[in-house]
Amino acid sequence: QLQLQESGPGLVTPSETLSLTCTVSGGSISSTSHYWGWIRQPPGKGLEWIGNIYYSGSPYYNPSLKGRGTMSVDTSRNQFSLRLTSVTAADTAVYYCVRLRGVPAADLWGQGKLVTVSS
Amino acid sequence: QSVLTQPPSASGTPGQTVTISCSGSNSNIGSNPINWYQQLPGAAPKLLFYTNTQRLSGVPDRISASKSGTSASLAIGGLHSEDEGDYYCAAWDDSLNAVIFGGGTKLTVL
Repeated sequence: QLQLQESGPGLVTPSETLSLTCTVSGGSISSTSHYWGWIRQPPGKGLEWIGNIYYSGSPYYNPSLKGRGTMSVDTSRNQFSLRLTSVTAADTAVYYCVRLRGVPAADLWGQGKLVTVSS
Repeated sequence: QSVLTQPPSASGTPGQTVTISCSGSNSNIGSNPINWYQQLPGAAPKLLFYTNTQRLSGVPDRISASKSGTSASLAIGGLHSEDEGDYYCAAWDDSLNAVIFGGGTKLTVL
C-alpha cells in the first residue's frame, strides 16, 4: 500500500532554510486523483496547513507563511519537497507530508518529522 | 485563537455518546465542506470524515459527522478507551484564502 516518508535535517539554524522531502512508495505521485501537501504541528499545539501541490505543479501556500514557502514535485524520484526560508523558532514543529483526496482532506499521512529551529 | 471554534476538552464514560462541535462562519463552514481528523497519542492525525459526512473506509459507523449552517459536529457513540485523543475539524476559508483547522478537542474516556 502507498506510504509516505519525510526526510531532512532535524535541526535548522535561525534565519536559514528548512528543507524537507517526502518519498512516496507503493504508488505513483503522478496520480490524477490526488494532491500532495504539508501540514505541521508545533509541539503540544494544533495543526497548521502549510500548502499543497499537484503532481504537475500549481502549488498553493498558506498566506500565513508570507511568501517563505516553496514546494516542488520530482516525478522521476516519486518525491515532493518543501523549502521554508528565513526560519525562526516559531517554525519548530513536526512536519507531516500528506496525500490529499481534495483540499483539505488529507487521507494519508507520513509519520512526521520533528524540525527544531535553534542555534 | 482559531477561526473554527472547538471546545478544548470533552469526556465520557465507556459506552456513552460524546459530541464534539466545530463552530465557524459563512466564509468557511457555511460555504465549504468540513473534514474531521483524529489524532491518537503519539501518532499522526488520521482523516475520519471528508466533505462533511463522507466516512473514510475503516471508520466505525458508531462515529458520525453532521453539518448545519455554520456549525458541524462529530458524534462518537459507544465510547471506547481507544477513542482517547485529539479531534480536529478543518475547512477552507474564502475570506482568508486558507485552509483552517479548529483548535482541537481533547477527548478523555473516564
